[in-house]
Amino acid sequence: SYELTQPPSVSVSPGQTASITCSGDKLGDKYASWYQQRAGQSPVLVIYQDSRRPSGIPERFSGSNAGNTATLTISGTQAMDEADYYCQAWDSSTYVFGTGTKVTVL
Amino acid sequence: EVQVVESGGGLVQPGGSLRLSCAASGFTFSNYSMNWVRQAPGKGLEWVSRTLSRTTHYSDSVKGRFTISTDNAKNSLYLQMNSLRAEDTAVYYCARDQGISGTTGALGYWGQGTLVTVSS
Repeated sequence: SYELTQPPSVSVSPGQTASITCSGDKLGDKYASWYQQRAGQSPVLVIYQDSRRPSGIPERFSGSNAGNTATLTISGTQAMDEADYYCQAWDSSTYVFGTGTKVTVL
Repeated sequence: EVQVVESGGGLVQPGGSLRLSCAASGFTFSNYSMNWVRQAPGKGLEWVSRTLSRTTHYSDSVKGRFTISTDNAKNSLYLQMNSLRAEDTAVYYCARDQGISGTTGALGYWGQGTLVTVSS
């Protein structure tokens, strides 16, 4: 089965840039999505089709996907961005989620 | 406004059954892929099942035990869960695809989740 691997944690200072990677075999050949899940809340889609932002998602969230790695970048990170982030790919009619990354804003 | 609201969770004994429901509103229900995703306590997200135009898909972990279905007249999604195990304990989310006819491969709308606890 297809697997996506993320770093367990990323730390960032307020106002700085956070980058979260997601690795999978030939991931660049698939669409990658990213979800934010704040503590005790439901997931929220922040990036889909590699780099598209849903309505209402701030411009500081951006995405890219090439080769075996997709990346979510949060520019000018704010305290409210502290959350768990999950990547996800669409593979053979199933949704595969990454292992998740906890972003801490120090 | 798009809304999905889950119900039906609770405590069930191992080997038992439970049926989850998801009431949808604010969009043409039959035009979108609908999914169940679960999250065990303190763990990550796990996709469970998907349906679109009567086509269904399941994760290997639930195949043969869970059945997804819809009632388009009631704008409702269901998950019939049989032969439940302790490892099925999780919050179960109903989620709609971001785009029409499942074209985006992303889940754009999520409910608040319903907790299923499998324990004796």
